[in-house]
Amino acid sequence: DAGVTQSPTHLIKTRGQQVTLRCSPISGHKSVSWYQQVLGQGPQFIFQYYEKEERGRGNFPDRFSARQFPNYSSELNVNALLLGDSALYLCASSRGQGADEQFFGPGTRLTVL
Amino acid sequence: ELKVEQNPLFLSMQEGKNYTIYCNYSTTSDRLYWYRQDPGKSLESLFVLLSNGAVKQEGRLMASLDTKARLSTLHITAAVHDLSATYFCAVDMALNNDMRFGAGTRLTVKP
Repeated sequence: DAGVTQSPTHLIKTRGQQVTLRCSPISGHKSVSWYQQVLGQGPQFIFQYYEKEERGRGNFPDRFSARQFPNYSSELNVNALLLGDSALYLCASSRGQGADEQFFGPGTRLTVL
Repeated sequence: ELKVEQNPLFLSMQEGKNYTIYCNYSTTSDRLYWYRQDPGKSLESLFVLLSNGAVKQEGRLMASLDTKARLSTLHITAAVHDLSATYFCAVDMALNNDMRFGAGTRLTVKP
């Protein structure tokens, strides 16, 4: 079975631009969570979506938004990019909402110049 | 606010030695996760600990959970070079579906 997939693998943007990251969960998983991992730190929770609705939000500005599609794939959008948005963005999927075990994708490395 | 603290943050070990990584968290939670991350890679799930007193072992790694002390440990037995990686503990906050990670322990095993 395929694991969690993310695209693109790497991305370079300039300050002020907008970016869209994509995630496909494991088949049968209905929940997708997004995390930001800055170099040298642990992942920080951004959003969780379950059954196409936002079920949790971390302490991130409104420049960050996400959505989940009927096939349970998800997109993370970041507007007005800042240098500090440079990070590895991880997507994780789980079967249900809440405290199910999460399985992580390979991540998207975003560099903002 | 839930805080998760790991120590040590950096650990350099000789092959064959034993050591323990500690994970303390600040509020009640019954689920704790351990992940491994190799440089530039994603997170690999190692253990899911679901109840007080839970102990799980895989190869040279053993994890335990004491929910009353709000403490989990990851014990490394007879370390080998292949165990060199960063290890994270994470605690879930079911209230808002958040999973809170520690800062990670960067383990280097030297020959």
